[in-house]
Amino acid sequence: EAGVAQSPRYKIIEKRQSVAFWCNPISGHATLYWYQQILGQGPKLLIQFQNNGVVDDSQLPKDRFSAERLKGVDSTLKIQPAKLEDSAVYLCASSLELLGYNEQFFGPGTRLTVL
Amino acid sequence: GIQVEQSPPDLILQEGANSTLRCNFSDSVNNLQWFHQNPWGQLINLFYIPSGTKQNGRLSATTVATERYSLLYISSSQTTDSGVYFCAVDMAGNMLTFGGGTRLMVKP
Repeated sequence: EAGVAQSPRYKIIEKRQSVAFWCNPISGHATLYWYQQILGQGPKLLIQFQNNGVVDDSQLPKDRFSAERLKGVDSTLKIQPAKLEDSAVYLCASSLELLGYNEQFFGPGTRLTVL
Repeated sequence: GIQVEQSPPDLILQEGANSTLRCNFSDSVNNLQWFHQNPWGQLINLFYIPSGTKQNGRLSATTVATERYSLLYISSSQTTDSGVYFCAVDMAGNMLTFGGGTRLMVKP
């Protein structure tokens, strides 16, 4: 079974530029998550999708971050414009959520550096 | 929100030694997961363990939900066990809240 795919793996941009990340979840997983992991810390949830609907985006800085999952499968996370403090690893995860079982599986992440 | 605390924050072991990592959480949880983040940043699932005890090779985990803690045991450690171990909990709504991690270095 293929895991969660993410691209690109690395991205370097200058502040005020825009950037987009892509995620393809495990086949059949209805729930998709985006997490931000700052160096030395644990991941923190940005947004959660159930199929193509948003379940929780309370931690998403909506003035500069946006995310979509139009067909209930792939998702994109965008930052516009980027700030220095957005330098982090952006992790995508997915889960099946069946009868209370909700193990999350993570992709390899996209490491973003904002100069 | 829920607080998740892991201890110790850093751990250095000689190859072959055993260790116990602890995760305390401040409220009742639906689910608990242990992850190993390898040096390349990949989060690897170790255990999905909202309660009880599970074993997988040299690793085992126990969660005592009523007392709000979980333990991860690593026996006969190997250099490939190095990395960061995270505990993450899910109260409701399925979002995971991560602890600060335990950074493990196993020396040959």
